[in-house]
Order: sequence, then C-alpha cells, then structure tokens
Amino acid sequence: GENVEQHPSTLSVQEGDSAVIKCTYSDSASNYFPWYKQELGKGPQLIIDIRSNVGEKKDQRIAVTLNKTAKHFSLHITETQPEDSAVYFCAASREQIQGAQKLVFGQGTRLTINP
Amino acid sequence: EADIYQTPRYLVIGTGKKITLECSQTMGHDKMYWYQQDPGMELHLIHYSYGVNSTEKGDLSSESTVSRIRTEHFPLTLESARPSHTSQYLCASSPGLAVGYQETQYFGPGTRLLVL
Repeated sequence: GENVEQHPSTLSVQEGDSAVIKCTYSDSASNYFPWYKQELGKGPQLIIDIRSNVGEKKDQRIAVTLNKTAKHFSLHITETQPEDSAVYFCAASREQIQGAQKLVFGQGTRLTINP
Repeated sequence: EADIYQTPRYLVIGTGKKITLECSQTMGHDKMYWYQQDPGMELHLIHYSYGVNSTEKGDLSSESTVSRIRTEHFPLTLESARPSHTSQYLCASSPGLAVGYQETQYFGPGTRLLVL
C-alpha cells in the first residue's frame, strides 16, 4: 500500500520568512496530493491540492510543487504570518472505489511562526 | 466552509461502556469517512462509505463499527470501550459527484475520546 513520509516534524521560522514542508510517497499510481492545515481543537482544513497532471500550483502565499519522477511534493508558504502557525499534513491518494478515496496522510509538521 | 458536525466534542467514559460518536453533514455528500488521530498527530482511515447502506473498512484495523442508513448521517459505535480506544476521531465527507476525479474531503471538528 501507499506510504507517505513528511519532513520536518517541527519547523520554526521568523515572521515574514518562507516555510517549506516536504513529502515523499511510495505508490507511483497515486495521482492526488492535498495539503491540510489543522489548528488546535479543529479538524483539518484543505489549503491547497495538486493532481498528477500538474507540476505546480499557487494560491496567494501558498504553493505546492510535485515531482512525479522522484515521487515527492512540497508545500511552500511565503511571507509567513502568525496565523500560519498550525500543524500541516500532506496526503496522497490513488484509489477511487465507486467515487470514494483513501487518503494516506503524512506524519504532520508543527509550524511555528515567531513574531 | 463545510457543514459537517460531530457530537460530542469531548467524551470521558469508563471501560466497558457502549458509545456512539455522531457525524452529520448537510451538504448531501455521498462519501463519508472516519479517521483516527492519535497524539502523535498522524491520521488513519478506519471506515468509509460510498453511500447509503454501504460501509467499508479502512487501512487501520478498528474494533468500531459504522452504519449509513441516511445520506447525511454516519455514526461510529464502540460496543465496549477500552483505554486503547482513547484517541481523537475525525469524520469527513466528499461530494463523490465525478467518477475518476478525486475530490476534496471536508472534515468535522472531531471527537476527543478518553476511556478510563
């Protein structure tokens, strides 16, 4: 089955600097890669996703890149702000059984933005 | 913002009790999921459903059971709670409108369960 590795487990950056979180996956058939942000006491919320037919996607300060050959994808947050502090999860999925999907999550990265 | 609700938000219960964690969504989504999230943070899929009257086991073995009698409701039941069941349980849903196209999963706020 799919295995997703995420690094680093914790990341501390100064406000205004950039943050990068990296994930690798094992199943070359995976074709959907979402990123979720989880704040304390809340469920994960999708912040950006990318599909295997695209190499890069941007949404304001957030970008995701995908390298299918190397089987890794990364989250880039620029101009970080205190409200970016949270736990971030990457995930990968390939199955779509009758429309359902089985997301496999990385271990999570606790991002702290220092003012 | 997705409209998916979980109750209770927190539950402390003794060993051997039967519990049901509720999950409801008002978006008419066909697909629903249950994940278990331990203090180490990683999420693992334990159950999912394609639609009414369908339930499937996820990648992580779980002693819990689920049912899907109505589209909007996907409760999870533990017949006899044990301390090893202590965890956070997250419910999610996705539209499931398009076959061959993977869609966003929307998560509820979670239920934090403590079994003494």
